[in-house]
Amino acid sequence: GAVVSQHPSRVICKSGTSVKIECRSLDFQATTMFWYRQFPKQSLMLMATSNEGSKATYEQGVEKDKFLINHASLTLSTLTVTSAHPEDSSFYICSAISGTTDTQYFGPGTRLTVL
Amino acid sequence: AQSVTQLDSQVPVFEEAPVELRCNYSSSVSVYLFWYVQYPNQGLQLLLKYLSGSTLVKGINGFEAEFNKSQTSFHLRKPSVHISDTAEYFCAVSDRYSTLTFGKGTMLLVSP
Repeated sequence: GAVVSQHPSRVICKSGTSVKIECRSLDFQATTMFWYRQFPKQSLMLMATSNEGSKATYEQGVEKDKFLINHASLTLSTLTVTSAHPEDSSFYICSAISGTTDTQYFGPGTRLTVL
Repeated sequence: AQSVTQLDSQVPVFEEAPVELRCNYSSSVSVYLFWYVQYPNQGLQLLLKYLSGSTLVKGINGFEAEFNKSQTSFHLRKPSVHISDTAEYFCAVSDRYSTLTFGKGTMLLVSP
């Protein structure tokens, strides 16, 4: 089946630093990828839709200058949390749509802790 | 606008007992419905989906769900659960195939 990977799986950083999270579709091409954020014991909240070769579409209330998204190829999207603060600590999950099966596949998530 | 309501935040059940996880949705247009499972510190895995056709949908791991348009429900069922089914279950709705709106999740706790 289709596999989506995320790297790193866990990251701890100091307040004020930037962190990059990678999302890769390993065995399929994904023209569209999504970034979600999940707080403890809560549901997933869509942050942005990432389309290859174009600017990401951000959901209302998500700061585009803080959460930079780049979808440079059909298999890679990156989320950079800039000037991270403790309130940015969360579980970030990406997903990718397979054009072949038209199914959304989720990555394993990245646990970000900002000290 | 769409929304999803999962009425139970937690459902405890004994092993080999049947279980039903409830999901109700609201949408002004035709919907696609999904159930996902999330194991601790992992991403989401698709259990099953309803796009069209038969209202009874069978998924992986012995789960099934029934789309009831009149009651705007998409409840998830399994006739006999295992310890390994312990996880968080999310119902989701989409008015097109891509953007999903998730419910708050139901924690299924299976005990021996």
